[in-house]
This record gives sequence, C-alpha cells and structure tokens, in this order.
Amino acid sequence: DTEVTQTPKHLVMGMTNKKSLKCEQHMGHRAMYWYKQKAKKPPELMFVYSYEKLSINESVPSRFSPECPNSSLLNLHLHALQPEDSALYLCASSQVGSLNNEQFFGPGTRLTVL
Amino acid sequence: AQSVAQPEDQVNVAEGNPLTVKCTYSVSGNPYLFWYVQYPNRGLQFLLKYITGDNLVKGSYGFEAEFNKSQTSFHLKKPSALVSDSALYFCAVRDMTSGGYQKVTFGIGTKLQVIP
Repeated sequence: DTEVTQTPKHLVMGMTNKKSLKCEQHMGHRAMYWYKQKAKKPPELMFVYSYEKLSINESVPSRFSPECPNSSLLNLHLHALQPEDSALYLCASSQVGSLNNEQFFGPGTRLTVL
Repeated sequence: AQSVAQPEDQVNVAEGNPLTVKCTYSVSGNPYLFWYVQYPNRGLQFLLKYITGDNLVKGSYGFEAEFNKSQTSFHLKKPSALVSDSALYFCAVRDMTSGGYQKVTFGIGTKLQVIP
C-alpha cells in the first residue's frame, strides 16, 4: 500500500467551528507532514512529526493544532479559523533516517472558511 | 539556506514535441533534488530524484531530469509530450536536518500546458 489518504476531501466551516482533518498511511513511514497550499503556489510546510513527536512547527498560529496518535495517523485540529486560512491542506509521509527518501502526498483537503 | 528557482511560470509545448521545465538550485554541500507533479485539485506526485550517481535521472511517466553541477541546474525533460502531461510541476531541494526526516523547499512551480 503506497497511498496516503485524507479525509474529508472538502470542508466548509465557519469561523467559530471546530473541525479536524485526518491523514492515514500504512507504508510504515515514521515521518508525517502537514502542508498548506494556496492556489497556484507551492506547498508551505506547517508541521513535521518524527516518530510521533512534533519535530517542526513553522510558527503556525495556535488555531491549528496537530496530533499524531500513532505511527499511521495524523490529525489537524482546527478552531476559530480565519477566511485567509482557506486553502488546500496536504498531508505527506516519508521514511526517516535516509538522505534520499521522497515524500508521499495525500490528495488533500480543500478547506473553505466562511 | 537551500533554494530552488523555476524561472518560467508557464511552459507551452505542442503534443509530440519534446518538453523541458527548468530548475536551478542553490545549496551548501551535496544537492538532493526532486521533481513533483500536481494535477488540478490533487496532491503532489513524486516523479524523480537526484542524490548521487548518473547525471541523467529517469523517473515516472517517461520523464527524466538532467543534473548539471557546473550550471547548478536540474531540468525536467520528456522526449514527446502528451496532453495528459499538462499539470503544475514543482522542483524541490532537501534541506539538511538532524532529525532524519525530510524537510524540502519547493520552487514556485511551473504550469505545463501541452497543446493538442
């Protein structure tokens, strides 16, 4: 299984809502990533988990809260978002400990904040 | 800091013609370079990578890339373009980390349009 899955595919939420994005992989990868991508722009790294521990937080606002409950799952909890947070949110995974490991990306969740 | 530059926002090519999508890099130390493709409303798909070894790297869907150290370039190529190759292409470079995980910096992306 070489697939990263993400749910939901689309999400519309108000600024007072709480929602969660989910990501799952069964490739045995121990590094997982959240990216934010605006239209026609490259992905921007938000968080990196390595061995289920948060390794990188790229100064992301606290209204985004990541969670890695086990080696296969990655969540992104959303609360009190702003309209400018509307974007495609991509999850990725990779092996750890080798220099040449590419990342495998999920299809993304298209988030719209009203 | 590591960086990559994609000088063209868009590349247009006729179906059946060869295509090139350009990328130049700036790194300290050995470069670890990647190409990804993104189809509309989809995630990124890995195409190929250069770590060490042959300067011509072969990847998925008939794509290849030529690593040129003297020109600090890593251009993506395909001998004969297909309409289905139309997509957004990202060049990326691996940042050095001590944690063993990947941290990559993406270029701004080049939109490839293959004209029937």
